[in-house]
Amino acid sequence: GAGVSQSPSNKVTEKGKDVELRCDPISGHTALYWYRQRLGQGLEFLIYFQGNSAPDKSGLPSDRFSAERTGESVSTLTIQRTQQEDSAVYLCASSLSAHLGKLFFGSGTQLSVL
Amino acid sequence: KNEVEQSPQNLTAQEGEFITINCSYSVGISALHWLQQHPGGGIVSLFMLSSGKKKHGRLIATINIQEKHSSLHITASHPRDSAVYICAVPDSGGGADGLTFGKGTHLIIQP
Repeated sequence: GAGVSQSPSNKVTEKGKDVELRCDPISGHTALYWYRQRLGQGLEFLIYFQGNSAPDKSGLPSDRFSAERTGESVSTLTIQRTQQEDSAVYLCASSLSAHLGKLFFGSGTQLSVL
Repeated sequence: KNEVEQSPQNLTAQEGEFITINCSYSVGISALHWLQQHPGGGIVSLFMLSSGKKKHGRLIATINIQEKHSSLHITASHPRDSAVYICAVPDSGGGADGLTFGKGTHLIIQP
């Protein structure tokens, strides 16, 4: 497709379960970002990939969060042992190159941890 | 780490008014992003600029690198402009790092 694709669009899980969220960036975009937005809150940076460089993980809130990206393609964000405070919309964005290109956002994954 | 301040936090205006939203940051940057988040949650990138001024339709974005300040202007505002406007800058100015976001300006344009 032409845009950033995220799946699933909605995910309901039980506390303690692991979840995996997927992001398909726009083809050719070397930079990929994961963000989180809790209800009524602003955007919170989680992790950033730029090409084959080591990712910037400085925004990950705990070691339960991890993300991978294969080359310049799909990325997955994994949350282990989910907690209720993990409930949020998880947004992915990509750009042609880090900080030098417009950001294109996916429509997000709404995660609800019961 | 860059700190971003946006003002105002909330703005309600009448249709047709000229709107200005401000963004200040603490660390020199390579580029700044203006984003628009619609009431339904979708986020659209409006501008990415590193100097001067950019215009797209009724939207104008300016940046003053020396003063570490950017403004987003909307001319002839319309109710469909109602959204949250967010500025974002690189965490530490540029290079291989993430983005820091302002808290957003919640704009409501009344007919």
